[in-house]
Amino acid sequence: AQKVTQAQTEISVVEKEDVTLDCVYETRDTTYYLFWYKQPPSGELVFLIRRNSFDEQNEISGRYSWNFQKSTSSFNFTITASQVVDSAVYFCALSEKGNFNKFYFGSGTKLNVKP
Amino acid sequence: GAVVSQHPSRVICKSGTSVKIECRSLDFQATTMFWYRQFPKKSLMLMATSNEGSKATYEQGVEKDKFLINHASLTLSTLTVTSAHPEDSSFYICSAREGGQENSPLHFGNGTRLTVT
Repeated sequence: AQKVTQAQTEISVVEKEDVTLDCVYETRDTTYYLFWYKQPPSGELVFLIRRNSFDEQNEISGRYSWNFQKSTSSFNFTITASQVVDSAVYFCALSEKGNFNKFYFGSGTKLNVKP
Repeated sequence: GAVVSQHPSRVICKSGTSVKIECRSLDFQATTMFWYRQFPKKSLMLMATSNEGSKATYEQGVEKDKFLINHASLTLSTLTVTSAHPEDSSFYICSAREGGQENSPLHFGNGTRLTVT
């Protein structure tokens, strides 16, 4: 079974629209870590945020915000007032305390922001 | 922030030849590095975990004799694709974690796009 599911394969929005990228995870570990990465067309994966399972506080960083909901095993990512530069593939990832060197990546969501 | 450098960024080689890809951690030491492969429009697939001073750990289905990994120092890991074939064409990305904390994020290199003709 998929440990990390990103059901949205591709999303297209017009600049300045808000967009939410969904991430649902599955784990039996009580301690785990969640991450979001951005992969622009150049190919490099850029680390965006980390969330520990024991810290359910949501976070906002500029136009980016993350909503961690343990009850629904979700870690969604919202971009407010999207810009063309936000166009990229976004990956959600999970690692577990029991084997923290193993990262489980979702299949990615391609975000197209049109001017 | 942590920087991981990967070289070359792009390589084209002929079938049967070998290609070496280097991965360096520039501002931190990495006893462990990770090699991923990404097919077009697909997610990342962990190939192997590179361990400084010892043998790499390969994921199931990855041929260790095909993909040779050497982690010679705390800042350098290399992946050699031996006797390359067109099906080895792919995007290869290395990564490393800064610090020993179990929740440290992976930092990725720029990736190497390998084309085997």
